[in-house]
Amino acid sequence: DAGITQSPRHKVTETGTPVTLRCHQTENHRYMYWYRQDPGHGLRLIHYSYGVKDTDKGEVSDGYSVSRSKTEDFLLTLESATSSQTSVYFCAISDPNLQGRELFFGEGSRLTVL
Amino acid sequence: KQEVTQIPAALSVPEGENLVLNCSFTDSAIYNLQWFRQDPGKGLTSLLLIQSSQREQTSGRLNASLDKSSGRSTLYIAASQPGDSATYLCAVSRNNDMRFGAGTRLTVKP
Repeated sequence: DAGITQSPRHKVTETGTPVTLRCHQTENHRYMYWYRQDPGHGLRLIHYSYGVKDTDKGEVSDGYSVSRSKTEDFLLTLESATSSQTSVYFCAISDPNLQGRELFFGEGSRLTVL
Repeated sequence: KQEVTQIPAALSVPEGENLVLNCSFTDSAIYNLQWFRQDPGKGLTSLLLIQSSQREQTSGRLNASLDKSSGRSTLYIAASQPGDSATYLCAVSRNNDMRFGAGTRLTVKP
């Protein structure tokens, strides 16, 4: 299994509070991604990073920010959580130097915003 | 915008059957197509990746095919087992954007 660790794995918070999810990888892959998975919507890309300090928006980026200060860590921040951000968040990694740019996923972080 | 559709949404088969899961996509300009397995409460496990220049990939009892021109991929599972019960998702990528289907929930009954 790809070495991807997400933390926390479960979190319950209240509307309006800030939340940060962390993704840590030991594979030295260049690209890192944050997805959310919701019933009826499937997996959707929030933000991705193509290198240290290099990030870009995905399909559903509103209300989220990201940071990548080291190759191995990619943080997802909800500045002021809303109930619509209740979801399961997945981190994924890939590397353009590997054939096919295969995508590998972490175990997910379940966030509940009350 | 790339749309990915998986049919059927759910499938129940007796153990030992061979089965086919379908994935279709609207834009044939893809870089690769990947099949994943997801168990309840877990992350996605990569099963097979087919690059755009390839037609198929095999791993054990799994065989995935890709027909870019028609926008279709199939995942063939031979001699299904109860342990194959999971949700199977296909995803297509172009640049840094990977689009996922909603998945097929497979149940293999002993």
